[in-house]
Amino acid sequence: AQSVTQLDSQVPVFEEAPVELRCNYSSSVSVYLFWYVQYPNQGLQLLLKYLSGSTLVKGINGFEAEFNKSQTSFHLRKPSVHISDTAEYFCAVSGLNRDDKIIFGKGTRLHILP
Amino acid sequence: DTAVSQTPKYLVTQMGNDKSIKCEQNLGHDTMYWYKQDSKKFLKIMFSYNNKELIINETVPNRFSPKSPDKAHLNLHINSLELGDSAVYFCASSLRGSDEQYFGPGTRLTVT
Repeated sequence: AQSVTQLDSQVPVFEEAPVELRCNYSSSVSVYLFWYVQYPNQGLQLLLKYLSGSTLVKGINGFEAEFNKSQTSFHLRKPSVHISDTAEYFCAVSGLNRDDKIIFGKGTRLHILP
Repeated sequence: DTAVSQTPKYLVTQMGNDKSIKCEQNLGHDTMYWYKQDSKKFLKIMFSYNNKELIINETVPNRFSPKSPDKAHLNLHINSLELGDSAVYFCASSLRGSDEQYFGPGTRLTVT
């Protein structure tokens, strides 16, 4: 079974500053990893995913994440945030079998300060 | 063209009532889900269906009953609504269980 931990429930950051949202996972088998974003009053949408191959994954809206197998981490980064990035961010993990379910973290609220 | 749609978007009702939320996806996916998101944004999976067959049934009161008439639809019926059922309910779909999921816009249920 897999589990995922998002280490920060809230991250405040000034506009145009860089940000890192941390995610660690636990699994005894190989995994797929995802980051989703939820803007206020909307559903979740996929930011990026790691399936295999290059450990640096680029997503939408200038976000990227790096898969680190030795540290079992998949941290999300953006070099310069905008006020429009204010949202809840969810890290998620699943096994590779077709019937494996995705496990979501508890979310990190990104709060952009003007 | 909306990929995953839910109706209604808002639902306000009194304790003890029965209500339904409908979900439809036009992505051709085999797997559909219902999630409950509480006020702290914690996302909890409730049910998952694969090609109309129930495959995940988490610890959910049996007042909640999903129904999948075909693989493009997954409805959620809730009997005898309680205050604690107030939340946002999300429908989602994916090609397979381990694939990325596509979420609907959510249904905000308020029980008074």
